[in-house]
Amino acid sequence: AQKVTQAQTEISVVEKEDVTLDCVYETRDTTYYLFWYKQPPSGELVFLIRRNSFDEQNEISGRYSWNFQKSTSSFNFTITASQVVDSAVYFCALSEAGRGSTLGRLYFGRGTQLTVWP
Amino acid sequence: ETGVTQSPTHLIKTRGQQVTLRCSSQSGHNTVSWYQQALGQGPQFIFQYYREEENGRGNFPPRFSGLQFPNYSSELNVNALELDDSALYLCASSSPGSRLGETQYFGPGTRLLVL
Repeated sequence: AQKVTQAQTEISVVEKEDVTLDCVYETRDTTYYLFWYKQPPSGELVFLIRRNSFDEQNEISGRYSWNFQKSTSSFNFTITASQVVDSAVYFCALSEAGRGSTLGRLYFGRGTQLTVWP
Repeated sequence: ETGVTQSPTHLIKTRGQQVTLRCSSQSGHNTVSWYQQALGQGPQFIFQYYREEENGRGNFPPRFSGLQFPNYSSELNVNALELDDSALYLCASSSPGSRLGETQYFGPGTRLLVL
């Protein structure tokens, strides 16, 4: 069965601190996709990154970086030099290939509320 | 801005009533997925429509039903509303055939309150 665990419910940091959000997943499929989404108070889920199971390269995008490790089934997200605008709920999600090349359902973790204080 | 729109933004209903939520997908996307997000929880998959056919369903009762139209917009209908149906309902669109298009892009959601 598919499952995503975000053990950290809430994290508080002071601006400019680095923060890592943990994500552990379970799946029996050999082909799957991992995502991170950001949900500000407005409610809309904002896509941050997608990772394919066959691509274990870590990725950096500005202050964001992601560490994908299949050996530990983890896909952690680090924000460097955090800012107040980073305050939001962050969700990790898992999906497997659907019919044809259509992306299947997303399985979400419960989310981590990140608060960055000035 | 993802180009995915949802209406209405907020809705208040009473138990037993029926509700219809609407979603317009991003241009060129032919797949729409619906999710329910209860307060403090992650979104839960309701169902997905691909080229006007249901392409998978989560653990939701039959009173949750949907449609997808030829222009790929979609509706979520909930009959016999219950208090536990109070949640944020999110619509996401995606399209096969392109690397970026395989990601689901979400709309702003509809907040439903059932009294």
